[in-house]
This record gives sequence, structure tokens and C-alpha cells, in this order.
Amino acid sequence: GAVVSQHPSWVICKSGTSVKIECRSLDFQATTMFWYRQFPKQSLMLMATSNEGSKATYEQGVEKDKFLINHASLTLSTLTVTSAHPEDSSFYICSAPAHFYTDTQYFGPGTRLTVL
Amino acid sequence: TQLLEQSPQFLSIQEGENLTVYCNSSSVFSSLQWYRQEPGEGPVLLVTVVTGGEVKKLKRLTFQFGDARKDSSLHITAAQPGDTGLYLCAGPYNQGGKLIFGQGTELSVKP
Repeated sequence: GAVVSQHPSWVICKSGTSVKIECRSLDFQATTMFWYRQFPKQSLMLMATSNEGSKATYEQGVEKDKFLINHASLTLSTLTVTSAHPEDSSFYICSAPAHFYTDTQYFGPGTRLTVL
Repeated sequence: TQLLEQSPQFLSIQEGENLTVYCNSSSVFSSLQWYRQEPGEGPVLLVTVVTGGEVKKLKRLTFQFGDARKDSSLHITAAQPGDTGLYLCAGPYNQGGKLIFGQGTELSVKP
């Protein structure tokens, strides 16, 4: 089946630094990818939609200047958390729609971000 | 705004017991999906239900989509410790493949 990978799987950084998270579709092309955030014991919250060749669209309440999204190619989307603070510590997950049935999405394994 | 209300949010049972998780909405969904997520990993799709009244079975898991396509349920028969995890229902909203998730059900099956 289709596979979505994320890198890194975990990252620890100092407050004020920026962190980049990559999301790749390994055996299919994805013109759209989605970025989610998940706090412990909670559900996934959609942050933004990454669109290849155009600007990302952000959900209400998500700071676009803080969470920079770039969809560099049909298989790669990146999320950069700028000037990270401890409250940005979370589990970040990306997904990409399946090729044949767009309601179905394949999820990456997630990236655990810890900001000290 | 479309919402998915999932219940219960926490469930702790003994091995061999049966359980049902509910996913309800006041809105009609074209489909609903169920995912299982283990700690530190991404969600894994279990099933997608599309037709009102549809019932799908996956070994000991039975999924049902309500006739009006506003609700769904997940029933697990004879739960095993390996069933432990976070179960999430999700449905598409707006256009472009966005998914909205229920609050999740944290299931713990004790041996």
C-alpha cells in the first residue's frame, strides 16, 4: 500500500530556534498533503493544507507565520516551526490522500517535537 | 460546523469482553473512516464506510454506518490486549479531502 514517511521521527530543540519537518509520499504523487497536530491523549487537529505549486491554506487559529509550509514537489511537503517555544511541543503528523479515493488518507508515522 | 462526537473517550476492559465505540454527528457525511493509533505512531486506517446501513467486518471488529449517514459504530468482540490503542473516527468535510476527527477513544484491554 501507499506509504507516507516523516523525518525526523523526533526532535529536541532550544526555545527560539526553528525546526523543519519533512513529509514524503514514497510511492505515489500527492498534490495535496495535510498537517495535523496532536497533544497527548487527544485527537488530531488539522493545522493546514499543503498545496503543490501554491500557498498553503491554514485552519482558523493557526499562525501561518509561525508554521511555514512548503510543498516543494509532488512527493514532498515541509513544515517549519519558526521561533519554537515550549508550547509548540507536540506530535506533528502529515497525511496525503489516496490516489483513487480522496476521502481516504495515508498518514505518516509522526514527528515528536520537544522544545526546551 | 460539522462535528463528530465520539464516545466513550476512555475504556478499560478485561480480555475477552465486548465493547462498542460510537461516533455521532448532526451532519450527514459522504463516508466515515475508523483509524487505530498506537503511541508514537501515525493513525492506521481500519475501514471506510460509504453506504448508509453498511456493515463491514474485519476479523473481530464490526463497523456500522447509520442509515442516515450521520453516525457510525465500532464493535469489538472478545477484545484482546493487542486491541489496546486510540481509536479515531473521521469524516470528510468541505472540499479537497480534509478530514475532521472525533475526540478519540482510548482503549485499554487488560490480560
